[in-house]
Amino acid sequence: AQSVTQPDIHITVSEGASLELRCNYSYGATPYLFWYVQSPGQGLQLLLKYFSGDTLVQGIKGFEAEFKRSQSSFNLRKPSVHWSDAAEYFCAVGAGLTGGGNKLTFGTGTQLKVEL
Amino acid sequence: EAGVAQSPRYKIIEKRQSVAFWCNPISGHATLYWYQQILGQGPKLLIQFQNNGVVDDSQLPKDRFSAERLKGVDSTLKIQPAKLEDSAVYLCASSLVGGGNYNEQFFGPGTRLTVL
Repeated sequence: AQSVTQPDIHITVSEGASLELRCNYSYGATPYLFWYVQSPGQGLQLLLKYFSGDTLVQGIKGFEAEFKRSQSSFNLRKPSVHWSDAAEYFCAVGAGLTGGGNKLTFGTGTQLKVEL
Repeated sequence: EAGVAQSPRYKIIEKRQSVAFWCNPISGHATLYWYQQILGQGPKLLIQFQNNGVVDDSQLPKDRFSAERLKGVDSTLKIQPAKLEDSAVYLCASSLVGGGNYNEQFFGPGTRLTVL
């Protein structure tokens, strides 16, 4: 069964500082990996995804993530955080189903606070 | 392109009452998902439909939760009777179907349920 671990429940960074959110996954085959962001009262917005190919993927809002198979990790990074980045971030692993559709398993999330 | 629509956005009920949520997926998306997101946790899949058939309902508490997707378009999720622990955000998502390929899920804004 697939699973995702986000070891940091809360992270606080100063505006302009760099950010790295950790994600470790467990999955038997090559995973599909995602990072979503959720602002208060909002649904989930996809930041970026990894399916195959280049292990460094670029996303929206200046975010990037690197897939490291040897470490089973997919950490999210941003070089310079903006106050508007304060939100909850979820890592997820997905698997395609032969019968159609797909199964998405989420981590417990990391709450990001940005200090001005 | 219109996104996934959900209603109501907020609902407050007392325990043992019943409640229903509605979801209209993105046009053309054959697969529809209902997730439960308890405060402080990541979303958990409750049920997955492909067209009007159930693909996965292994985590749906069937003694009190039910869902249907008549005509393969919009869907309703019902809880009867509600318990305090059902307080959560209920997210609906939809995706295309493509022969074993992974298709991105698009999320609605969610319905926040409070059970008193």
